[in-house]
Amino acid sequence: EADIYQTPRYLVIGTGKKITLECSQTMGHDKMYWYQQDPGMELHLIHYSYGVNSTEKGDLSSESTVSRIRTEHFPLTLESARPSHTSQYLCASQPPGRQGNTIYFGEGSWLTVV
Amino acid sequence: QKEVEQDPGPLSVPEGAIVSLNCTYSNSAFQYFMWYRQYSRKGPELLMYTYSSGNKEDGRFTAQVDKSSKYISLFIRDSQPSDSATYLCAMSAYNQGGKLIFGQGTELSVKP
Repeated sequence: EADIYQTPRYLVIGTGKKITLECSQTMGHDKMYWYQQDPGMELHLIHYSYGVNSTEKGDLSSESTVSRIRTEHFPLTLESARPSHTSQYLCASQPPGRQGNTIYFGEGSWLTVV
Repeated sequence: QKEVEQDPGPLSVPEGAIVSLNCTYSNSAFQYFMWYRQYSRKGPELLMYTYSSGNKEDGRFTAQVDKSSKYISLFIRDSQPSDSATYLCAMSAYNQGGKLIFGQGTELSVKP
């Protein structure tokens, strides 16, 4: 398993504010992912990274951006939050080699934009 | 049409019942199949992982994959109230890494 730490767990913020959701892991995993989950809906991949200075957009279009300056950190940023960004954001990492394509998630960040 | 279909439930069973959770999919390239359990306001927790077709058992949990029918199942024997959660199926193709396609999740409630 992987220990994935996400902060903040819960955030209520006003429209137009800039926010950064933090994600960190101490296992040295190269591959990390951000998924978005609206209540009662599927998880959708919004960003992924296969290593330092490598980031790609996922299948679901998102106005957020990510960075990967260090292996252990994979923060997600919204430059100007809108109510449509209200959702749960889940960070995950993938151990190398074993267990195929399994990934392990953090506890998630619940974002509410008012 | 969604690549992965999962009955959202909710599903309510008495304690001790056998639970069957199912997903169908349309992409024949999927080779890795996973089941995650998600408690309210928590991140998904990996329960079972299966590669290609076949069965896999882990304690009270059994995962089945039938690639010919594009159908996967998770069976929970002797269900407990602590099994009450949302169960998510997820799958990916060989070269897709952790870019998983998830079902909508089935909400399960096990009544004492």
